Parts: sequence; C-alpha cells; structure tokens
Amino acid sequence: GAGVSQSPRYKVAKRGQDVALRCDPISGHVSLFWYQQALGQGPEFLTYFQNEAQLDKSGLPSDRFFAERPEGSVSTLKIQRTQQEDSAVYLCASSSTSQGPVGYNEQFFGPGTRLTVL
Amino acid sequence: AQSVTQLDSHVSVSEGTPVLLRCNYSSSYSPSLFWYVQHPNKGLQLLLKYTSAATLVKGINGFEAEFKKSETSFHLTKPSAHMSDAAEYFCVVRGIKAAGNKLTFGGGTRVLVKP
Repeated sequence: GAGVSQSPRYKVAKRGQDVALRCDPISGHVSLFWYQQALGQGPEFLTYFQNEAQLDKSGLPSDRFFAERPEGSVSTLKIQRTQQEDSAVYLCASSSTSQGPVGYNEQFFGPGTRLTVL
Repeated sequence: AQSVTQLDSHVSVSEGTPVLLRCNYSSSYSPSLFWYVQHPNKGLQLLLKYTSAATLVKGINGFEAEFKKSETSFHLTKPSAHMSDAAEYFCVVRGIKAAGNKLTFGGGTRVLVKP
C-alpha cells in the first residue's frame, strides 16, 4: 500500500521567497506530524494535527511558519519570507489513531522535502 | 521535559561483528522509548519500541534494546552487523503524559559497516 508521500522532494528558494510543502498521509490516518531535520541533526517536532485540528504547534520556530490540514487529510507547511536558517529536510509523519496518554501508535514517516534557501 | 543523548555520533564496525549504539534518556515521566533507522533518501523506519512491558525489546532485522531504568539507558545492539545496516540511527523518547504527542529525537549515530 501507499505510504506517506511528500512533494516536492527538493526545493530551492531564494531568501525572502514563500514556499509550500505538501504532505499526503496514509489514507485514513487521523494524526499528522511535521518535523524539521537540520543537516547532521535529529528531527525536531514542529506541529501536530488530529484530523483538521492543530492541537500542538509549540515547535514552530517563528510566525513565518504556518501549517494547515483543512479537510483532515492532506497537509501543507508554509514558510513565508524564507531565511537561510530554514534550510533543512522537512519530514511529515502520520499515524492511524489519536495518540492517547498510554501506548503508542507508530508514526510512519515520508521521505521528506529538502529545502535549500540561497 | 524529556530528552535523549546518543553518546556516539559515528560508529564503525566490520561486517559480522557486534554493533552497540548507546542512548541515555531523561524524562519526567515513565517514558516510551524507540529506535528509528534512516537510510539515505528513505523515510525513517521504526526498529523497535519500549512501552513499559518487557525491558528487553526485540525489533526488526535482528536488533534488540534493553531498557535500564537505574542507568536511564536504552542501548541498541545487534550480534552480527550486515552491510545493509549502514545507516543513521535515532534514539527517540515520548513521555506518556506528554501534553502533546511529539517524539523527541537524539542527535543520531551514523553506522559504517566495513567489509
């Protein structure tokens, strides 16, 4: 079956440009996560959706970052006025149910979008 | 607050020899712990998970990890390395009572397997 897909796989932007990164989760998955992975580092949490509701956006580094999931399926991460420090791989993950306080529903990761800001 | 520290940024082993990847965690609550593997140009894949059941956890591809609360460690091992094990490995923590559902990743350990 299809996994999590992300597009584009690679994006080069000039400093100051706006970019939009798309995530198609596994069909039927309730939860969707965005992570940012800088070169040579582990991924860092950005934001979390349960269906269309954005329940946690504590990891978004600035108000230039905005994420949405209007119909509870596809999600878009938008970065306005890109800066060089935004260069990273942006990972999307989905899981089948809402994450409760106990147990764990595996997060399935997409291949990522590599953003380079010149 | 929760965090993980991977003690080695790079590990080099010969094919057929044991692999040890070290991880220490910090969590205010009884944690859920995971190891993920990332092959070049591929998505992160779950190797194994600990969620307060057996302290010795077996995963895919012959990997296993042991949860040691007294040492706050969750080291990953494999008895015999294969060339296909060359990848980056991440130790990950999720606090059970975390307000969000985010995973907190360590900095990663890159494994090189020599023939």
